[in-house]
Amino acid sequence: GENVEQHPSTLSVQEGDSAVIKCTYSDSASNYFPWYKQELGKGPQLIIDIRSNVGEKKDQRIAVTLNKTAKHFSLHITETQPEDSAVYFCAASRGRDDKIIFGKGTRLHILP
Amino acid sequence: GAVVSQHPSWVICKSGTSVKIECRSLDFQATTMFWYRQFPKQSLMLMATSNEGSKATYEQGVEKDKFLINHASLTLSTLTVTSAHPEDSSFYICSAAGLAGLKTQYFGPGTRLLVL
Repeated sequence: GENVEQHPSTLSVQEGDSAVIKCTYSDSASNYFPWYKQELGKGPQLIIDIRSNVGEKKDQRIAVTLNKTAKHFSLHITETQPEDSAVYFCAASRGRDDKIIFGKGTRLHILP
Repeated sequence: GAVVSQHPSWVICKSGTSVKIECRSLDFQATTMFWYRQFPKQSLMLMATSNEGSKATYEQGVEKDKFLINHASLTLSTLTVTSAHPEDSSFYICSAAGLAGLKTQYFGPGTRLLVL
């Protein structure tokens, strides 16, 4: 089955700097890659997603890149702000009706 | 759009009692709902997938008689933890997927269960 690896497990960046979280997946049939942000005591919130027919997607300060050949995808957050502090999960899914497999999460700390 | 609610947000119960958690999709019809469990500082673990009007599909290692799931309508799914024990204490999160397919899951805010 699918296996999603996520790195780093913890990341601290200075406010205003960029943060990058990387994930790899094992199943070449996976074609949908969402990213979730989870704040303490809350459920995950979808922040951006990318499908396998696209190499990059951007939404304001957040961007995601996908390399299908290498089977890895990354989340980029620019101009980080204190409210970006949270746990971020990457995930992968094979098809329309297939379940989502989550990475183990990255705890992002934005330092003042 | 795509709001999912859970009730209660937290619950404390005595060992041996049963607890019911509700998951509702407020502004869309959820053909499929998922139930996850999350331990502190860990990732989400899928427990089961439920389709409206049919039996839930449980992941390996999840006791279906312990965690009863009902998905009676397109906007409501319930998870009942039967005969709860302290090891069932956890953060339970549901998600809902609609006509866009299972990939587009929207998560509820979670329910924290503490069994004494």
